[in-house]
Amino acid sequence: ILNVEQSPQSLHVQEGDSTNFTCSFPSSNFYALHWYRWETAKSPEALFVMTLNGDEKKKGRISATLNTKEGYSYLYIKGSQPEDSATYLCSRGAQKLVFGQGTRLTINP
Amino acid sequence: EPEVTQTPSHQVTQMGQEVILRCVPISNHLYFYWYRQILGQKVEFLVSFYNNEISEKSEIFDDQFSVERPDGSNFTLKIRSTKLEDSAMYFCASSYAGATNEKLFFGSGTQLSVL
Repeated sequence: ILNVEQSPQSLHVQEGDSTNFTCSFPSSNFYALHWYRWETAKSPEALFVMTLNGDEKKKGRISATLNTKEGYSYLYIKGSQPEDSATYLCSRGAQKLVFGQGTRLTINP
Repeated sequence: EPEVTQTPSHQVTQMGQEVILRCVPISNHLYFYWYRQILGQKVEFLVSFYNNEISEKSEIFDDQFSVERPDGSNFTLKIRSTKLEDSAMYFCASSYAGATNEKLFFGSGTQLSVL
């Protein structure tokens, strides 16, 4: 059974500050790592799909890195804004994605 | 932007009743999925569907569950005889290529409550 863990479970950040959180996963039989942002009452929205060790991806103020050898990925948010408040989910797998429990991010104005 | 739509948004049913959750995936997508999240737990995989057949399913997806793509646009999840523990938010998702290479597009979910 693949176990994906995210930390911290929740995070409160002041508007304008930068933050990061972690996704750890078993490094064997790795195919892909997905990051999703999930706002309350909306659909989870894909941020990144990462497949290669050392991958770095960026979308606006959000970026992610991937280390498949040691089994972790970091998500960074630069200059947090209130609209960044959401739950951030990571998942790994192929056809079947195994999700972590999410990091619930709250940006305080 | 195209989106995955799910109906209904909320479904309340009595234990033992059959429910059908409906999804309209993005039109040119080839891979279809159902996931669910029981309150307070992780999002968990139920089933993936490709080329008109199940490509992978989890241990949760037992004989009480079935999926169908009846008309080339809808993708349904049927639970034949609901149990209390089936209460969860059910998400449909689709992608053009498999999840190894491409992000999934999720619907906004159906909240199923079994009483």
